[in-house]
Amino acid sequence: DVKVTQSSRYLVKRTGEKVFLECVQDMDHENMFWYRQDPGLGLRLIYFSYDVKMKEKGDIPEGYSVSREKKERFSLILESASTNQTSMYLCASSPTRGQPLFLYTFGSGTRLTVV
Amino acid sequence: GNSVTQMEGPVTLSEEAFLTINCTYTATGYPSLFWYVQYPGEGLQLLLKATKADDKGSNKGFEATYRKETTSFHLEKGSVQVSDSAVYFCALSPGGATNKLIFGTGTLLAVQP
Repeated sequence: DVKVTQSSRYLVKRTGEKVFLECVQDMDHENMFWYRQDPGLGLRLIYFSYDVKMKEKGDIPEGYSVSREKKERFSLILESASTNQTSMYLCASSPTRGQPLFLYTFGSGTRLTVV
Repeated sequence: GNSVTQMEGPVTLSEEAFLTINCTYTATGYPSLFWYVQYPGEGLQLLLKATKADDKGSNKGFEATYRKETTSFHLEKGSVQVSDSAVYFCALSPGGATNKLIFGTGTLLAVQP
C-alpha cells in the first residue's frame, strides 16, 4: 500500500527551539507539499516542492523553511518555534505537475505543540 | 483570486438522514473541484472529483455536481451512516502548470445512531 509517512504523530517543543518535521513518500511522486491545519481556517499551504532541491513558498511561509535533498523526503523546518506555530501539520505528495490533481496522498499528520 | 467557501459545522444528523454540505468557489479559468474526507486521527483522503462543468463526481454513496453557473459543488448523500462521521473539505485546483490545491475550512459531520 502506497503511503506518505510523517515521522512523528505528536511533538512538544519549547519556544525558540529549532524543529524538524519529516515526511517520506514511497510513490516516486515529484511534488510534495506542507500544509498546516487549524480549526476554522482549514488547510493552508506553507511550502511546496516540485523537484529535488526545488521549493516554492505557499500562502503562509513566514517562520518556516523546507529542505528536499532526495525525491522521497521533504522536511519542514521551524527555525525558532513560537507558540503561534502550535498546529496540525500535514504533508502530501502528488505525481508530475500538470497532471490531473486528484492523486494527492496525505500523511496522517503531526500535531505540534510549542510551549 | 481563487478561494473556496463551505458551510460551517458542525453538522449533526441521525443515521439514515439526508446530507448536504454546501460549497461555493471563486476561480479564474476552469478549475477542477474535489471533496476530501478526514476521518478521526487520519490524513485526508480523496472522496470524489469533477474536472469540468456539469461533471458529477460520486463515491461511497456521496455525490457532487460541478455547477459553473452557480459556482457550486455541493456534497450530498441520501442516507448517512455513523461511519460517515468525519471532517469534509471542499477544494479546488486552478489548473495550469501548478497543481496546488486550495481548501475550504472544512465541515465536521457527526452522525448519531
